[in-house]
Amino acid sequence: EVQLVESGGGLVKPGGSLRLSCAASGLTFSSYSMNWVRQAPGKGLEWVSSISGNRDYTYYAPSVRGRFTISRDDAGNSLSLHLNSLRAEDTALYYCATDGYIYGDGAFDIWGQGTMVTVSS
Amino acid sequence: QSVLTQPPSASGTPGQRVTISCSGGSSNIGSNTVTWYQQFPGTAPKLLMYNYNQRPSGVPDRFSGSKSGTSASLAISGLQSQDEADYYCAAWDDSLSAVIFGGGTKLTVL
Repeated sequence: EVQLVESGGGLVKPGGSLRLSCAASGLTFSSYSMNWVRQAPGKGLEWVSSISGNRDYTYYAPSVRGRFTISRDDAGNSLSLHLNSLRAEDTALYYCATDGYIYGDGAFDIWGQGTMVTVSS
Repeated sequence: QSVLTQPPSASGTPGQRVTISCSGGSSNIGSNTVTWYQQFPGTAPKLLMYNYNQRPSGVPDRFSGSKSGTSASLAISGLQSQDEADYYCAAWDDSLSAVIFGGGTKLTVL
């Protein structure tokens, strides 16, 4: 069974940093693009970042570009998101999701349960 | 404000057919595939439709998708109480080099 488990969320002060992780199991992790998607409390989904399977490409939402960095450790089957210069508006539940594991590029077909990031003084 | 525009709410009675629209532009829906996600309160989103009108395994054929120009639609026929959820469309945007989600539509089964 394919499983994604996020961790690393918590309470951080504005301007602070955090590192989120997503542990993958049950799939050939290195073969697939991966994504981070977030959801602020009571709000809709917002795509944050993606990284290609060969790490050649990374993409970021304009709202986080220059502050967040996505990376992956294929040997360790894990995805990371480094969050810097955090703002109150970054408060959200952060999900990791596979891209095209079963259903082709652009289909976020496997999701984790999310890890909560709260930015507050 | 989302680049993909969805109605914030939709409703129907059991057995009815409901359609949720997703309006975009030439740089997203007009030139790239659309996916739809279903989300129940307190749970992670679930892929509902990919490549405009393809259903993942396990998704009932009551759900269907379509695209016309720069808009896409999700239709649910034979509406059931368990369909009550939030629905999101998404697409890649060539201008932004980013994935964009619609604002979401809360479906209520009356």
